[in-house]
Order: sequence, then structure tokens, then C-alpha cells
Amino acid sequence: GENVEQHPSTLSVQEGDSAVIKCTYSDSASNYFPWYKQELGKRPQLIIDIRSNVGEKKDQRIAVTLNKTAKHFSLHITETQPEDSAVYFCAESQKVTFGIGTKLQVIP
Amino acid sequence: DSGVTQTPKHLITATGQRVTLRCSPRSGDLSVYWYQQSLDQGLQFLIQYYNGEERAKGNILERFSAQQFPDLHSELNLSSLELGDSALYFCASSRTGGGLADEQFFGPGTRLTVL
Repeated sequence: GENVEQHPSTLSVQEGDSAVIKCTYSDSASNYFPWYKQELGKRPQLIIDIRSNVGEKKDQRIAVTLNKTAKHFSLHITETQPEDSAVYFCAESQKVTFGIGTKLQVIP
Repeated sequence: DSGVTQTPKHLITATGQRVTLRCSPRSGDLSVYWYQQSLDQGLQFLIQYYNGEERAKGNILERFSAQQFPDLHSELNLSSLELGDSALYFCASSRTGGGLADEQFFGPGTRLTVL
């Protein structure tokens, strides 16, 4: 969506490496930024989210960072595994806009 | 299983026709969102209802309409269907209203094919 830009659109990494996906938003009133994972043929599922009052949040191998000044937030996946292969979507709250998605492929 | 149900699972129809997609939210969730996902595309937000009232609108065509009933289930009506309307339509629910404010739980989707 035009309110959220997401990149890269595709990402291939070797198993065990890290993956980073970035999103930029335009509406400074946005205050909630979720990340969804969609495996092939399945529904999107929330993997992590962050609110505007914090700069970073971690959950095991997944972390999200938020820079409100620059209006961007990033998803970090460490020690990637083949089951991390999926499409990842970022979203912003104000206009309920999702990014175009990043297809992550983890090569064993 | 997210607790959100959608029917039907698949729908095949012809151009010019009208269809209705149905969604039942998770127990206790007051918000229902509708999304369109075309092949290899992202999630296009269509519309949100909160406790029976329209709360937010995205890129929903005039040929499309939705409503949320007193029991909180929602229906998405698509009319004068075109080939380009072929897509996967997801419904999602969340506890709160007002745009996107907390985790959304997605249903399994309805695959619409317009021939």
C-alpha cells in the first residue's frame, strides 16, 4: 500500500544466517506496527508487533525495531531455519495498510 | 485454528454475478476486517466493522459492500463481478476497534474464481 513501503520483495539466505526486512510508513499518527507471516496456502499469522512507545521488542529469534523519527521499522530473524520460509508482511495502524510482502527463502 | 470461520471455502461464478461471503469472528472479538489478496499480491484492506458499525474503509470498490450483524458475524457482498475480482478474500477479527490496534486473527479465506 502507498502508506507502507516494504523491501526487499524477495530474500534468500543460508540456513543459520540472519534476515532483515524493512518497512517505511508515512503517517506519523501510526502507533502500532505488526508483522505477519504467511506460509504457502495458509492464513497470515502475527509473529511480533511493536507499539510506538518502545524502540525494540524481542521474542526468541525474532525482533522488531522501530525508529519513529525516521518512520521505519524492521523485522530481524536470527539463526534462520527452513521453516522460516514464508511471505512476511508489515502493517501500519492508521490506515490499516499492509506492505507488499517479502518472500523469504531459507536455503538448507 | 484461529477461531475465525469463513464460508464458503471456494466459490466459482461468472462475470456479472453477485456473491456473498460470510465470516464469524472469534468469540469475544468485536472487530471484523475484510481483505482481498490477489495472486502473489499483498493484503488489500477493504473495510472494518466494529460492534455493528463501519469503522474504517480501505480500497473497497463501490460494487462491494459489507455489514456486521448483531451476533457479530459479517458478510461481504460482491456484485457485478469481473474477472479481476478473482482472489482470496480473508476475514480477520480483533478485540478492539479504531483501525489496527491489536492482533488480528485471520480466517482460512474464501477463494473466489470469476469465469
